[in-house]
Amino acid sequence: DGGITQSPKYLFRKEGQNVTLSCEQNLNHDAMYWYRQDPGQGLRLIYYSQIVNDFQKGDIAEGYSVSREKKESFPLTVTSAQKNPTAFYLCASRATGDKAFFGQGTRLTVV
Amino acid sequence: GQQLNQSPQSMFIQEGEDVSMNCTSSSIFNTWLWYKQDPGEGPVLLIALYKAGELTSNGRLTAQFGITRKDSFLNISASIPSDVGIYFCAGQSGGSNYKLTFGKGTLLTVNP
Repeated sequence: DGGITQSPKYLFRKEGQNVTLSCEQNLNHDAMYWYRQDPGQGLRLIYYSQIVNDFQKGDIAEGYSVSREKKESFPLTVTSAQKNPTAFYLCASRATGDKAFFGQGTRLTVV
Repeated sequence: GQQLNQSPQSMFIQEGEDVSMNCTSSSIFNTWLWYKQDPGEGPVLLIALYKAGELTSNGRLTAQFGITRKDSFLNISASIPSDVGIYFCAGQSGGSNYKLTFGKGTLLTVNP
């Protein structure tokens, strides 16, 4: 099946630890995105990538890092510098000028 | 940066009623997208709009790309309980800019 897959669905992290969220797509899309969603809130852009080996900061990039070594993969690392990491994280991919498709999301909880 | 104002923030309606929500932008967009999100899931695309003035339907859903290219609306006719969820608009300003800007969402509750 073609699509975009995020893993894991639920993730628990101790304070002070880095954690990496996975996002893979087999849609041959050039662009990939990471959004953060807090309860009752909209989607805020963390990072996006238009092409392999290139990415740009979104509106709330502090405390996060990404890489884009392969077209299919855009992992997000939530670092210990992120002050309020507990949130629902959504990954999306998109062909040039076309629709964006989302993964099912990863709920990260800091314990 | 670009701002998208989505309204209303929430709606409570009776089953069978029609619903309308809209988004306005501070700048021109080349693409408007409408999504629905169920609790704990990723948003699912409902309708995509690519041209000013375009009116597109998907079942009971109808969306339009405003003539000014700064607004879009989504209508849902004859609502049913499974329409419950959060509806988001998103826009892209085009060109080499891949950035998608999202509205804050409209929470729809449908009473049977």
